[in-house]
Amino acid sequence: AQSVTQLGSHVSVSEGALVLLRCNYSSSVPPYLFWYVQYPNQGLQLLLKYTSAATLVKGINGFEAEFKKSETSFHLTKPSAHMSDAAEYFCAVRPLIYNQGGKLIFGQGTELSVKP
Amino acid sequence: DVKVTQSSRYLVKRTGEKVFLECVQDMDHENMFWYRQDPGLGLRLIYFSYDVKMKEKGDIPEGYSVSREKKERFSLILESASTNQTSMYLCASSLGFAGYVGPQHFGDGTRLSIL
Repeated sequence: AQSVTQLGSHVSVSEGALVLLRCNYSSSVPPYLFWYVQYPNQGLQLLLKYTSAATLVKGINGFEAEFKKSETSFHLTKPSAHMSDAAEYFCAVRPLIYNQGGKLIFGQGTELSVKP
Repeated sequence: DVKVTQSSRYLVKRTGEKVFLECVQDMDHENMFWYRQDPGLGLRLIYFSYDVKMKEKGDIPEGYSVSREKKERFSLILESASTNQTSMYLCASSLGFAGYVGPQHFGDGTRLSIL
């Protein structure tokens, strides 16, 4: 079965520091990949998506992610953290085989804290 | 922008009650989904639907059922609520036609407490 692993349930960075949130997937066929962000008491908002075009994907709020097939990874980065980036981040994969409806498989989430 | 609206943000029910959670989307999306979200477990798919009156079980369907009588509305039903169904419930929808599937768009969630 396909799975998604997010390394680190909590990540803390200082304001202005690099943000790196890790995501690895297991799949024999490169899937579509997504990062979502969830602010307190809200639903999930799409940050960015990889759909087999460019391997470096730019999203909203200055975030980007790089698809590395050899490492089965899709890590999320941002050069300089803002206080407003504090939220929970979810990596998700959409298998491309036998997937009517486009179901997603989510990682467990990483809570990002930003210190002043 | 896509708007996915969940009928309640907070809901408190008693054990054994039949509970209805409603979700409406305004973008004519074919696919709709119900997830539950629990700390440390991420989002887990309960049921999804890719067309009116069509439904498929997700990873954790036990204790739940769904209804999709109209394209824009997808209801989640807890047949006899139990305390282990206390959770955050999230609805999502996505475009899907001719082999294309768009990204999922989420509602703000319903935080359900079963006492």
